[in-house]
Amino acid sequence: QSALTQPASVSGSPGQSITISCTGTSSDVGSYNLVSWYQQHPGKAPKLMIYEGSKRPSGVSNRFSGSKSGNTASLTISGLQAEDEADYYCCSYAGSSSFVFGTGTKVTVL
Amino acid sequence: QVQLQESGPGLVKPSETLSLTCTVSGGSISSYYWSWIRQPAGKGLEWIGRIYTSGSTNYNPSLKSRVTMSVDTSKNQFSLKLSSVTAADTAVYYCARIRHSGYDSWGQGTLVTVSS
Repeated sequence: QSALTQPASVSGSPGQSITISCTGTSSDVGSYNLVSWYQQHPGKAPKLMIYEGSKRPSGVSNRFSGSKSGNTASLTISGLQAEDEADYYCCSYAGSSSFVFGTGTKVTVL
Repeated sequence: QVQLQESGPGLVKPSETLSLTCTVSGGSISSYYWSWIRQPAGKGLEWIGRIYTSGSTNYNPSLKSRVTMSVDTSKNQFSLKLSSVTAADTAVYYCARIRHSGYDSWGQGTLVTVSS
């Protein structure tokens, strides 16, 4: 069970859109539509932003959207804002009743 | 809104057992999966395992031999035990609720340091 692969960092200017990729295998991301995404500010607990690949919990801005193609899931943040600067993690069901997290991506707002 | 709070020793000696409890308030512990997740300083999140309120458990294969989770529905609590700890187990430990395969509620996290 290896961690899902994310880019170490992604940056963008305010108002721009950025996309964070999350690459797994046919045993996890590719087999299930059960990818979730989390935002984590320094010293804080992670916050659920997307579940089941593309669904947003109540209260999460519609600037956040999720998608999947093959073994890669993606999180897109549109209309980038200063408050979006944080670490982002994906997580996927990996079969056999287990889950695996991504390596994490630091988003910087320029 | 459900709230979770981790509790337990912040310092554990090498080779001993780490024990943490998560207390759930503002809602029932019943009919949900509950999880433990950890994060070493400056590193990513690692899934430790999950427990259902029936007591059914699933663990990370890499930790399975050392992990035990339990639940006490009468106290609205669930617990983690990790045996034979080493410095590599030093991390912030989070408890979280699983809903629709996403972790929708998290505790604030508790730092556990393994050191003699």
